[in-house]
Parts: sequence; C-alpha cells; structure tokens
Amino acid sequence: DQQVKQNSPSLSVQEGRISILNCDYTNSMFDYFLWYKKYPAEGPTFLISISSIKDKNEDGRFTVFLNKSAKHLSLHIVPSQPGDSAVYFCAAHRVSPNNAGNMLTFGGGTRLMVKP
Amino acid sequence: AAGVIQSPRHLIKEKRETATLKCYPIPRHDTVYWYQQGPGQDPQFLISFYEKMQSDKGSIPDRFSAQQFSDYHSELNMSSLELGDSALYFCASSSPPPGTGGYEQYFGPGTRLTVT
Repeated sequence: DQQVKQNSPSLSVQEGRISILNCDYTNSMFDYFLWYKKYPAEGPTFLISISSIKDKNEDGRFTVFLNKSAKHLSLHIVPSQPGDSAVYFCAAHRVSPNNAGNMLTFGGGTRLMVKP
Repeated sequence: AAGVIQSPRHLIKEKRETATLKCYPIPRHDTVYWYQQGPGQDPQFLISFYEKMQSDKGSIPDRFSAQQFSDYHSELNMSSLELGDSALYFCASSSPPPGTGGYEQYFGPGTRLTVT
C-alpha cells in the first residue's frame, strides 16, 4: 500500500506559467513533508519542506501548501523555467515507533517539462 | 559546499557475487540513510544509521548488511547478488539527530549497480 502518492506521472507547462505538482498521503503519522528534484543519473536534490503544523512555506519561486484535513500537499513553481524540467518527488517523514529513526517515504514522482 | 560522496559511481557484477558500496556524508552530518531506486520506481528506504548504530530498517534484504564507521562513513554490503538487485543506490545524510526536527536529507549522486 503506497502511503505517498503522486497521481500525475507527468506535467507539461509553458515557460513563465505556474507549475503545480500534487501529492497525497494516507498516514496521519507523517509530521514533515519535503519536495525533491531529480535529474537523470543524479541524486535527489532537496527543494523545500513544510512541517505538519504549518499550511504554507515559501522559498523564492517555490511554495509548498499543506492541507492536513485532505492529506494533500502541492508544490507551486512560479514562474516556471526550462531549467525546472526534472522529476519531482514528494517525500513524507515520520519518526519510527522507538523514536530512533528518521525515514522518508517517497511518492512515485512527477516528470515536469517546462517548454520554452 | 561539500556534498554526499558515493563510490563507486558505477558497478557491474555477476549473479551470486558480492558488492560493497561506500558513502561519505556531508561533514558534521551524523546520520546516514540508504535507498534503492529500481527502474521507473521511487526511492525505497533500506536502512539508516545514527552515531554508528542502526536507527531504522526498511525493505533491506537479508543478503544485504550495512554499517557506519567512526568517521561516519557507511558501507552497504550486498551478497549473493541477484538480477533484481540492479538499481540505483542512493546514500543520504542529515543532521541533527533523528526525532528532534530538521528532517531534510541530502542525497549523494548514487551508485548504479548492474547485475548480469
């Protein structure tokens, strides 16, 4: 059972427009959410995060929104640039039951293509 | 800024052979995580270490083992390799200690393991 889902495998956006990437989760024990960007043959690069006690976090062109009641978060990129073209992973954190771990659960990723 | 270093970047092994992957975390990061990403899949958490002790365990096969050394680098040992072990293996590091906030994990470039 996938606890973190990104239902759109791909998204195409025109340069300068807004890109909205969505992520849904099922486990109410998740307390922190992160977005990563990944280019082929490279490791995921951390973009932005949000604590479950907040509903919005903004960093430059990137804004993450969290709707806890809907168990939904989204990443907004505005304005989108061709260099933003990559696979974006949503990840969720929970502390393991013995409070000793710090694992992330990843969604399946969304491939964003920003057209010039 | 220094990033997570993984070696080797590429590794080709035959079935039933063994492999050792190495990870050097970002300086002053004390927690290391290992993830496996199969073709077209999201990264799956394998195992993590904090202060040289295993802190969490995910879907790591019994044929695999890992440890963290006194200099905080980690090694993932894989034995009796199978074709299905072919994947990208990512190492990530983080600080501060698990369970106290700051859950961002920073990923290395990955090791691509091909089992033939």
